Amino acid sequence: DTAVSQTPKYLVTQMGNDKSIKCEQNLGHDTMYWYKQDSKKFLKIMFSYNNKELIINETVPNRFSPKSPDKAHLNLHINSLELGDSAVYFCASSHWDWGPFGGYTFGSGTRLTVV
Amino acid sequence: DAKTTQPTSMDCAEGRAANLPCNHSTISGNEYVYWYRQIHSQGPQYIIHGLKNNETNEMASLIITEDRKSSTLILPHATLRDTAVYYCIVQETSGSRLTFGEGTQLTVNP
Repeated sequence: DTAVSQTPKYLVTQMGNDKSIKCEQNLGHDTMYWYKQDSKKFLKIMFSYNNKELIINETVPNRFSPKSPDKAHLNLHINSLELGDSAVYFCASSHWDWGPFGGYTFGSGTRLTVV
Repeated sequence: DAKTTQPTSMDCAEGRAANLPCNHSTISGNEYVYWYRQIHSQGPQYIIHGLKNNETNEMASLIITEDRKSSTLILPHATLRDTAVYYCIVQETSGSRLTFGEGTQLTVNP
């Protein structure tokens, strides 16, 4: 199936730990994104990569480090996890010029709970 | 600096048409109107988009006013599975980010 897949779906971890979330897309898109949805349900962009190059880096703590080994993968590593990092993280992908093509395709999300 | 205004919530009876309005009075000529929805606990899902003309696909119809300052998403025969938050987004493309507002919570009732 063509899709944006992210793993794991659920992640429960203790404060101070380091964790990674992986994302892969097989849609042939050249741009990938990470979004965060907090408890108030607002979806906010964190990062975007185009052809493995960082394009958007919102005001995200530097404990968050994205890595794009190739166009089809965008991983998110989080150091020294804090309670406030608890949220649902969505990966997405698109063509660079996505306007005529229907925008972004999102993954199903990773629910991160920091205890 | 919101580009779109949507009602916070709406209700619709199952089987009836759901008409979701969106105001975007400051839209510029090269900005598309996009609609996404998010069913509880799932990733946002693309529904439809348009620039100037009305559009229809297997999910919905998009009606854009002639002055492009507002639009309406129409789900012709709403089902319980259409209960979701619906986001109207006005956006340039080519490297710009898809920015979500608060959306409209549509509840389809039996």
